[in-house]
Amino acid sequence: QVQLQESGPGLVKSSETLSLTCTVSGGSISSYYWSWIRQPPGKGLEWIGYIYYTGSTNYNPSLKSRVTLALDTSKNQFSLKLNSVTAADTAVYYCARGPSGGSWNWFDPWGQGTLVTVSS
Amino acid sequence: DIQMTQSPSSLSASVGDRVTITCRASQSISIYLNWYQQKPGKAPKFLIYAASSLQGGVPSRFSGSGSGTEFTLTIGSLQPEDFATYYCQQSYRTPYTFGQGTKLEIK
Repeated sequence: QVQLQESGPGLVKSSETLSLTCTVSGGSISSYYWSWIRQPPGKGLEWIGYIYYTGSTNYNPSLKSRVTLALDTSKNQFSLKLNSVTAADTAVYYCARGPSGGSWNWFDPWGQGTLVTVSS
Repeated sequence: DIQMTQSPSSLSASVGDRVTITCRASQSISIYLNWYQQKPGKAPKFLIYAASSLQGGVPSRFSGSGSGTEFTLTIGSLQPEDFATYYCQQSYRTPYTFGQGTKLEIK
């Protein structure tokens, strides 16, 4: 079955750019939407945005000015860049397939998540 | 943005109990409501879509209901593996938003 794995630095300095990659295995990145979702320590989930296999994107307005999603179909990967990070961006970052299910827009499966800490 | 509010924030229960978690939306979302289960240190697991449809492989003791602005997740007879945090997610429009979570703990 499809599996997702996040990778990237676990520590980013304040004001710099957070960069993460999600590698999809067991299936093709084509014909699906792919999302990034984050969870600050001890808090709830925040959808960051999605990218379709065609390259079209949709970002959460709260982060839109700082976020860029991209994909590399040759490597079956998609990526997240978040610039000008602050301590408020410290979170576990998850990649997930979705929104899926036609108009039902669920997220499944998810990667295991990677903790990114923003340091001053 | 559509705000999702869950209640209670935490809940203590015993194995075998029936529990219900409520999720309210700040505006009508029809039945565009999904539920997830998250265990400590793990990614969320998708349980229910369209307010009441179980994802494949999810035990039948889980059920969902509701429409409009009020939804519930019910676990019919709690099993040890059900103690976790549960999140609702509206899928009506972007930005997709989640409730703050309900932590289900063992009494």
